[in-house]
Amino acid sequence: EAGVTQFPSHSVIEKGQTVTLRCDPISGHDNLYWYRRVMGKEIKFLLHFVKESKQDESGMPNNRFLAERTGGTYSTLKVQPAELEDSGVYFCASSQDLQGFDIQYFGAGTRLSVL
Amino acid sequence: AQSVAQPEDQVNVAEGNPLTVKCTYSVSGNPYLFWYVQYPNRGLQFLLKYITGDNLVKGSYGFEAEFNKSQTSFHLKKPSALVSDSALYFCAVRALMDSNYQLIWGAGTKLIIKP
Repeated sequence: EAGVTQFPSHSVIEKGQTVTLRCDPISGHDNLYWYRRVMGKEIKFLLHFVKESKQDESGMPNNRFLAERTGGTYSTLKVQPAELEDSGVYFCASSQDLQGFDIQYFGAGTRLSVL
Repeated sequence: AQSVAQPEDQVNVAEGNPLTVKCTYSVSGNPYLFWYVQYPNRGLQFLLKYITGDNLVKGSYGFEAEFNKSQTSFHLKKPSALVSDSALYFCAVRALMDSNYQLIWGAGTKLIIKP
């Protein structure tokens, strides 16, 4: 069984540019999460999808961030326009359980560097 | 505010010695606690969780964690460290945030096991 995959593994862009991150969850997992970790800091929740619906987007920093999950399969996270403070590692995770008891399976992350 | 604290940025242990990685939490209601590990260039992997029941929880790779309600702690332990245990360890607690469950994460502790 394939795990959670994220693409690209690393992205370097200039301030003001647009970047799109992709996440392919484990097949059959309805729950998909996006997190961000800034260097040395705690992992921060961004967004939670249940199938194609946004269950909780309270962690999204601002309207420069747009997440989609068309068809309830893979998800994209677009940052437009990128700012310096958007740099960090973006993790995607998926799980089967909605109540938060279940294990979340993580991708290796996308390291975003905004210069 | 609901939060997780990992007071040590780094823990150094000699191979064969016992190890402890500390975690304390603050959450409303019953705490549901998790430990994840991240090896270099990999996604986070689930180690163990406490939902209810026995305060001593056993997990993967010989790790265990002790839930202490009075001290609001969930320290990760292993009786005899291996060099291969060297990694980044994250503690998390499930929290109810405006009617949605989220994982609140610590900043991570880098564990270095020296031969």
